[in-house]
Amino acid sequence: SQQGEEDPQALSIQEGENATMNCSYKTSINNLQWYRQNSGRGLVHLILIRSNEREKHSGRLRVTLDTSKKSSSLLITASRAADTASYFCATTGANSKLTFGKGITLSVRP
Amino acid sequence: SQTIHQWPATLVQPVGSPLSLECTVEGTSNPNLYWYRQAAGRGLQLLFYSVGIGQISSEVPQNLSASRPQDRQFILSSKKLLLSDSGFYLCAWELGADTQYFGPGTRLTVL
Repeated sequence: SQQGEEDPQALSIQEGENATMNCSYKTSINNLQWYRQNSGRGLVHLILIRSNEREKHSGRLRVTLDTSKKSSSLLITASRAADTASYFCATTGANSKLTFGKGITLSVRP
Repeated sequence: SQTIHQWPATLVQPVGSPLSLECTVEGTSNPNLYWYRQAAGRGLQLLFYSVGIGQISSEVPQNLSASRPQDRQFILSSKKLLLSDSGFYLCAWELGADTQYFGPGTRLTVL
C-alpha cells in the first residue's frame, strides 16, 4: 500500500513563481524524501529530511516536516521551465523500505 | 562515481512470451537492489528487493521473478507475460542510507 499522498495531483504555474507541493502519510517514519521524475525517465533524489528535523534547504528547494501532522511540504522557489516534472514523496519506516506516493505533476509555463 | 544501467530501454512483447530485464550497477559493492513497476500516472510499486547475491524478497505475488546472480546484477524475469505486466520498470540501488538511486527504466508493452 502507498503511504505518501501528495497534494495537489497537478500544479501549473508561471516561470518565476514558487511551487508548493504537499505530502501526507499515515504511520510513523524514520525519514521522508522527495524525488523528481522527468517524463519517461528514472527518479532523481532531491532531498531527505529525517524525522527529528523540521526544515531543510538545498538550493532552490525547501522541505518542511511536521511529524505531529504527518505531513511534509516541498517548496521550489523561482521556478524554471526545467522544473517541469513529476514529484514524489517517499517515506521510510521501521521496515527500512521506501514507500512512494502517486506523485504530483508540475508544469512550469515559460 | 556510481552508475546504474538498465536494458532494454523499451520492449514490446506478445502475451505469453518470456521476459528478461537486466539491471547492472557500477562503482559500488554489495548494494541493496530494487525492482519497481510504475503504471501510467501512478506511483511506484515495489516488486522485489535484494540485499545480496542470491537473496531475493518478493513484495507482491505475481507471475514475475527476480534473480541476483552477481553482486551488481539484478534480473527481472517472467515465463509468460500478461497484459497487466505492461508498465515502466525501474531498478534502483542503495547502500543502506535510505536514499535510492534509479536507473533510466524499461518501458514494457505487452500486446
